[in-house]
Amino acid sequence: KAGVTQTPRYLIKTRGQQVTLSCSPISGHRSVSWYQQTPGQGLQFLFEYFSETQRNKGNFPGRFSGRQFSNSRSEMNVSTLELGDSALYLCASSFRGTSTDTQYFGPGTRLTVL
Amino acid sequence: TQLLEQSPQFLSIQEGENLTVYCNSSSVFSSLQWYRQEPGEGPVLLVTVVTGGEVKKLKRLTFQFGDARKDSSLHITAAQPGDTGLYLCAGAAFNTDKLIFGTGTRLQVFP
Repeated sequence: KAGVTQTPRYLIKTRGQQVTLSCSPISGHRSVSWYQQTPGQGLQFLFEYFSETQRNKGNFPGRFSGRQFSNSRSEMNVSTLELGDSALYLCASSFRGTSTDTQYFGPGTRLTVL
Repeated sequence: TQLLEQSPQFLSIQEGENLTVYCNSSSVFSSLQWYRQEPGEGPVLLVTVVTGGEVKKLKRLTFQFGDARKDSSLHITAAQPGDTGLYLCAGAAFNTDKLIFGTGTRLQVFP
């Protein structure tokens, strides 16, 4: 079974631009969660999608948005990039998306904002 | 805001030594998970504990969930260089069922 894949793996953008990151979950998984990981703040929850609906949302500004498609693939978008958005963005998939459900993480997309 | 504090933040030890990593909070969690993350990869789930006082063993790793479900510990016996990585605890909030990750413990085991 193929693991969670994320594209691109690395991205360099400048302030004010927008970016779209993609996540393909493990086949059969309907829940996709997105996290931001930085050295200072650690791993923080962005949002979770289940069957194309946002089910949970973390405390991030509206510049961070996401969506999920009917094949469970998910994208997240960050508009008007700021220097502080530089981070490793991880997505994780699971079958049901409950807290005791095993989440499988992708390798992440390393975003650098200049 | 629910916070999970891990200690120590950094740990550098020799192969064969024992170590314990702590994960503490003032909040109660429905369950708690431990992950290990290696450079260039996402976190990998090691264990999930759901019952207060529960102890789980995974080879040389022993995980314990506090009786009050507010804290947890990870004990590694006879550490090996392959144990090197970032260890993260994550608690599940009762009201939202979403995971809150701890601050992380970076472990380096030297041969």
